[in-house]
Amino acid sequence: AQTVTQSQPEMSVQEAETVTLSCTYDTSESDYYLFWYKQPPSRQMILVIRQEAYKQQNATENRFSVNFQKAAKSFSLKISDSQLGDAAMYFCAYRTPIPYNNNDMRFGAGTRLTVKP
Amino acid sequence: DGGITQSPKYLFRKEGQNVTLSCEQNLNHDAMYWYRQDPGQGLRLIYYSQIVNDFQKGDIAEGYSVSREKKESFPLTVTSAQKNPTAFYLCASSIPGGIAQYFGPGTRLTVT
Repeated sequence: AQTVTQSQPEMSVQEAETVTLSCTYDTSESDYYLFWYKQPPSRQMILVIRQEAYKQQNATENRFSVNFQKAAKSFSLKISDSQLGDAAMYFCAYRTPIPYNNNDMRFGAGTRLTVKP
Repeated sequence: DGGITQSPKYLFRKEGQNVTLSCEQNLNHDAMYWYRQDPGQGLRLIYYSQIVNDFQKGDIAEGYSVSREKKESFPLTVTSAQKNPTAFYLCASSIPGGIAQYFGPGTRLTVT
């Protein structure tokens, strides 16, 4: 079974600085999707960024970017110019392509990010 | 506004009682999911449904039941058979074969 590992239970960053959250995964598939979700104190899960495994180019969404290393099975999230509103739990997730009657989305245990003013 | 609603936000029950958590979406998504979140753990899949009148067990379905009579609604019943029901429950939806899932605000269930 696919597993997702986030080795940093907690991270902190100074406001306006850059922080990188780590994620590794285990799979024998060649085609899959990777995600970072943000869960602020409200506990609403918000999709931050996604990456298709067949794409070599790293995904970017404004201040959020990923470093996708397929051979190393690594998928880190970089947050630039950190803001107080970035403080949250961040979950890395993996999903295989979906046959119609199947589902396989796996989440890591999360990294709690604190942003210091 | 399109989205997923879960009610109530907080729910309290006595041990031995069944309780039903509501999940409604107006995104016209066919697929819906229920996850459980415990402290220090990621989300774990309880049940999912790809189409109306059909649903499948996830990793931790024991002690839970669901129904999918309407496309918009996917209620989750936590039965008295669930040994440790106190948790945060999240509902999600997606289009069939969709890449990403979109989540509701969650329900915190406390059973004493």
